[in-house]
Amino acid sequence: GESVGLHLPTLSVQEGDNSIINCAYSNSASDYFIWYKQESGKGPQFIIDIRSNMDKRQGQRVTVLLNKTVKHLSLQIAATQPGDSAVYFCAENKSKTSGSRLTFGEGTQLTVNP
Amino acid sequence: DGGITQSPKYLFRKEGQNVTLSCEQNLNHDAMYWYRQDPGQGLRLIYYSQIVNDFQKGDIAEGYSVSREKKESFPLTVTSAQKNPTAFYLCASRLPGGTDTQYFGPGTRLTVL
Repeated sequence: GESVGLHLPTLSVQEGDNSIINCAYSNSASDYFIWYKQESGKGPQFIIDIRSNMDKRQGQRVTVLLNKTVKHLSLQIAATQPGDSAVYFCAENKSKTSGSRLTFGEGTQLTVNP
Repeated sequence: DGGITQSPKYLFRKEGQNVTLSCEQNLNHDAMYWYRQDPGQGLRLIYYSQIVNDFQKGDIAEGYSVSREKKESFPLTVTSAQKNPTAFYLCASRLPGGTDTQYFGPGTRLTVL
């Protein structure tokens, strides 16, 4: 399953499928991007990050892809599990000169159906 | 057990009262941040502090105040001037050095009655 941009806030997939969550960022000067997972009523949890000098970075079951040409970021989750159900936020660091402030997207609600 | 703690988890206050939210970290992080989250929305930056005795306004600082007297602590006061204070408040801190990664506490849900 795949979400498109920030205008589709929900994504529903079957357990075992791969998930793709997309994010469009605004500032071509941003040099750092991060994905967070937030379960209901809890604080965001770091998943994976990527710097602008990279196109791809892999973690455990997750991959982040960065396309600077179209200012697009995606999070791929392999073999999605029910425990992956949460809201996923992308964030960008727009300015290194202002205390590493992160600007967050609106989030995508991922629901994994057993 | 290291980490970022926020207390209390749930907080109820009457309209017109000031309330202070606690954020403590024992990670030796220099920078700390306060965010507000409304239902179904992303995080918005209220205040941040890069070092002890210094802090800057974020995007929605009106009606809030902070202090940073100790490295470990960054309390947030929601004043009566904040028009719509009911929200989920999240504190974060950042690793020292050149990294931009922020790590979050569990949050405090404030309800103003």
